[in-house]
Amino acid sequence: KAGVTQTPRYLIKTRGQQVTLSCSPISGHRSVSWYQQTPGQGLQFLFEYFSETQRNKGNFPGRFSGRQFSNSRSEMNVSTLELGDSALYLCASREDQGTQYFGPGTRLLVL
Amino acid sequence: DQQVKQNSPSLSVQEGRISILNCDYTNSMFDYFLWYKKYPAEGPTFLISISSIKDKNEDGRFTVFLNKSAKHLSLHIVPSQPGDSAVYFCAASALNDYKLSFGAGTTVTVRA
Repeated sequence: KAGVTQTPRYLIKTRGQQVTLSCSPISGHRSVSWYQQTPGQGLQFLFEYFSETQRNKGNFPGRFSGRQFSNSRSEMNVSTLELGDSALYLCASREDQGTQYFGPGTRLLVL
Repeated sequence: DQQVKQNSPSLSVQEGRISILNCDYTNSMFDYFLWYKKYPAEGPTFLISISSIKDKNEDGRFTVFLNKSAKHLSLHIVPSQPGDSAVYFCAASALNDYKLSFGAGTTVTVRA
């Protein structure tokens, strides 16, 4: 099976803009989670979607949002970008519970 | 509040010897634990996991030990190889809580 794919791999934006990141899970996986990795905060959970419904959310401001489509693909949106949003954004998928498998990530740089 | 802690930011080991990585957790609701390996600019790669009903799980060169009373787990890599040089993350989750809580990571360097 193909692994988790994320697009784009790299992105440069300026403060105040918005950005949309995409994630395609492993075939058959209905759960998609998003994580943010920064040098100072490590890997932090953003939210998880299962069958198009958000079933858990981390401690991030409302500027961070997501959605999942009927084919399990997921998108994450960040509005009104801040410098501190510069990070590696990771997507992970799994069947329902159990082991999460990660994609390569999207590196976002906010200038 | 960091619920998963990896207190050693780095570990250097000679090729062929054992690497031991440690992880402590504070949340007694955690019942599933995983180790991931990560290279720069890549996503974490799943290595091995253990549920709270076991105290040891082995997969090839990798063995994870869980001590629930001490809220401590460790990853043993035997023998260590140069390709094992990477950042290793410990992660944990609780039943019906769908998020993973990660430690800060330990950078392993395997010396030839």
